[in-house]
Parts: sequence; structure tokens; C-alpha cells
Amino acid sequence: QSALTQPPSASGSPGQSVTISCTGTSSDVGGYNYVSWYQQHPGKAPKLMIYEVSKRPSGVPDRFSGSKSGNTASLTVSGLQAEDEADYYCSSYAGSNNWEVFGTGTKVTVL
Amino acid sequence: EVQLVESGGVVVQPGGSLRLSCAASGFTFDDYAMHWVRQAPGKGLEWVSLISWDGGSTYYADSVKGRFTISRDNSKNSLYLQMNSLRAEDTALYYCAKDIPRYSSSWSLDYWGQGTLVTVSS
Repeated sequence: QSALTQPPSASGSPGQSVTISCTGTSSDVGGYNYVSWYQQHPGKAPKLMIYEVSKRPSGVPDRFSGSKSGNTASLTVSGLQAEDEADYYCSSYAGSNNWEVFGTGTKVTVL
Repeated sequence: EVQLVESGGVVVQPGGSLRLSCAASGFTFDDYAMHWVRQAPGKGLEWVSLISWDGGSTYYADSVKGRFTISRDNSKNSLYLQMNSLRAEDTALYYCAKDIPRYSSSWSLDYWGQGTLVTVSS
């Protein structure tokens, strides 16, 4: 089971929006509504930002939103802030095909 | 406050064994599925294993199947990962993490520990 494909980098100016894609297959992203997104700052543990495609955990700003179309999920960060600069990883349930697979990761830079 | 504290990471020779532990507090441990996730130095995240809330079901990534065993002791609020036949490619920071719903799994991890470093080297 290969990792989900994410762009290596994305960037935007403060206040702008950035969207990160996460492409899988019908056996993972496309087959289940168990897509999550994690934010990881350098030297820190990952933090859950979105789960079950579009749900936000308590405490996560509504600037973060998730969606899915076919085999591709997306994370949009609106109103970019300096503290949003981090690595972002998607993940998806993949059934008996290795159960859970992470994306390759995207480094978001706030210009 | 939910806390997950991993321990047990050391330098071990290829072919060796190691047991990682994760001490949980701040939530009803035996209500939740738990995961291990690892991150090689400078690399991305890799899911390793899941154990159900009652320990009755376990799941493994192909890369560790047959070599690693996940277990839990709900009386001690503790999660474990027994790692055998270790390889250089197992070198990573190992995180334990909590799943979201009670008595089930959404394969989403809402709380993570700070990780424990395992280095496999001769």
C-alpha cells in the first residue's frame, strides 16, 4: 500500500487561503469517509485538524476545512496566519489494504 | 487533561528486540482504541498498529506484521509495542495516539504523546 500523494509544498500570504490535496485510490480515500488531516510543527507531535473528511475537533479554528471528491481529499486553510506554517499530513482508512495510510506530507509556508 | 507518555526507546542492534510503553492519563483508557505511529528522522508519518478498546482486535501495517505485537493493560492504563527482529528501517520516533470514539475506531487520532526514539544500529 503506497502513501497518499500530497504536494511537497504550498504557500500563501497572511490572510490568503491555501488548499492542499491528498490523492489516493478507490481502496482508501475514495472508498471511505475516514480521511483525517494533521498539523505538525517542527519538533512537535502531530495535531488532529480534521477527521471523517470534514469534521473539526473542538478547539480547531473554523479557518480549517476539509472536503473530498472521488479519490482526492482536500484541506483548505483560510485567512492564513503565521502560526499555520507547518507540515500537514492527510491519512485515510484503507481497509485490509494495510488498514491506515498517511500522505507524503505538505510543507505550508506563510510568506 | 489527556496525557500520553511513551518510554522504552533506545539504541538496539539489528535483529534485536525492544518493548515500548505508553502511559495514559486524563481519560477513561479502557474505552478507547489506541494506535502506534512512527516517524523516521526527517521523514513522514507511518501508521504502525491499532488495538481495540478491549484488546480483542489488533491490526498491523504490512511493514511490521509478524515482527511487532501491540498489547494493552487496561488495569494499568498502559499501551505496549513489542518489537522483534528489528531492522535499520525501523529507526524512528514512535508515537502512541488515542482514537476518537468510545468502543470503536474512526482511524483518527485526537491525542498524541511526544514520542520515544528507537534507533536500530550496529
